[in-house]
Amino acid sequence: AQSVSQHNHHVILSEAASLELGCNYSYGGTVNLFWYVQYPGQHLQLLLKYFSGDPLVKGIKGFEAEFIKSKFSFNLRKPSVQWSDTAEYFCAVIFYGGSQGNLIFGKGTKLSVKP
Amino acid sequence: DTGVSQNPRHKITKRGQNVTFRCDPISEHNRLYWYRQTLGQGPEFLTYFQNEAQLEKSRLLSDRFSAERPKGSFSTLEIQRTEQGDSAMYLCASSLGERLWGYTFGSGTRLTVV
Repeated sequence: AQSVSQHNHHVILSEAASLELGCNYSYGGTVNLFWYVQYPGQHLQLLLKYFSGDPLVKGIKGFEAEFIKSKFSFNLRKPSVQWSDTAEYFCAVIFYGGSQGNLIFGKGTKLSVKP
Repeated sequence: DTGVSQNPRHKITKRGQNVTFRCDPISEHNRLYWYRQTLGQGPEFLTYFQNEAQLEKSRLLSDRFSAERPKGSFSTLEIQRTEQGDSAMYLCASSLGERLWGYTFGSGTRLTVV
């Protein structure tokens, strides 16, 4: 079955540290890839997306992600985190050709940034 | 303002009661999705509509759950004979057409079954 894995459940960093959150998916076909962020008490917001082309995509708030097809990965990065980045981050994938063309989410990674 | 509106924000109900949630998507979006999110999990797909047609339902959507989108605009999700396991955040999202630029999510309805 198609699935999305986020291996880090909770990441704790100090301000100015670099961030990398892992995301892997299980499917060899065409995918669209997304990262969403959910700040405490707020709705899910789209950080960035990948459909095709340059595998390095840049999103809002200084985030970027790299699609590595051979590794079925779409890791999220930020060179220097801020306290305001404290939130939960969800990787999500649309699998084309599978039973659903719908957005499937990972379990999320909670990021806590210490001031 | 996210553009996708969900009501109510919170609902507390007794086990066995029926509840109904409403979602108003972004007006030009023809696709509407319902997801459920429990603590420590990512959102799980329940069902989606294209215009007024319900095109897919997850196996998570038991017979006690029904969703409608009668005029292709707002949607309702009803849960009959609620159980404690139904306690969750119910999320609605909408998108435009088949070129999926990412879904726009509402703030959700938090259901607590006591």
